[in-house]
Amino acid sequence: NAGVTQTPKFQVLKTGQSMTLQCAQDMNHNSMYWYRQDPGMGLRLIYYSASEGTTDKGEVPNGYNVSRLNKREFSLRLESAAPSQTSVYFCASKGGTGAYEQYFGPGTRLTVT
Amino acid sequence: AQSVAQPEDQVNVAEGNPLTVKCTYSVSGNPYLFWYVQYPNRGLQFLLKYITGDNLVKGSYGFEAEFNKSQTSFHLKKPSALVSDSALYFCAVRDRAGANFNKFYFGSGTKLNVKP
Repeated sequence: NAGVTQTPKFQVLKTGQSMTLQCAQDMNHNSMYWYRQDPGMGLRLIYYSASEGTTDKGEVPNGYNVSRLNKREFSLRLESAAPSQTSVYFCASKGGTGAYEQYFGPGTRLTVT
Repeated sequence: AQSVAQPEDQVNVAEGNPLTVKCTYSVSGNPYLFWYVQYPNRGLQFLLKYITGDNLVKGSYGFEAEFNKSQTSFHLKKPSALVSDSALYFCAVRDRAGANFNKFYFGSGTKLNVKP
């Protein structure tokens, strides 16, 4: 059981380049999330998808777009990367009714130069 | 919206001693409460949660947490710390209902250092 998987593990981009971070879960969870983690700031929610077919903004959505491709997959796209987007990005998922906690992927470390 | 405070950036404790990692939250209803642990270069792992019932909840690796409604706190505890407990700990809350039902709010994290 793989849980939540993320690709790539590491990425270096130049300012202005675009890329998509991939996330997949095999737990049949309804909700999926994208966070960024910066030193001293904990986790900040970028976007989330409460269920297949829906997406909502979190605390820091500017500069990002998301796609809930199907129930398993939730991708995060940076259209024009900026140095301020250098961070570690985590994907998470949560089950449906009666499920309480999230499960996290291993993260993607992104550096924008 | 909820907010979560972890007032200590770092907690140092000797192996074998009890440990406490503090968490308080702002109140908007009666949220669900969680603790997660993050080891270096890894994702967050779920430790325990408070949903309802007994104020003392037990979780993984011998950790427990005490919910105090009047103080809006949910402190993480362990009776006897291990060196392997050294990690970054996050407190999180989630609304029980409403528009933000599926959103989690995280504290800034507390680094636990357990010295041999």
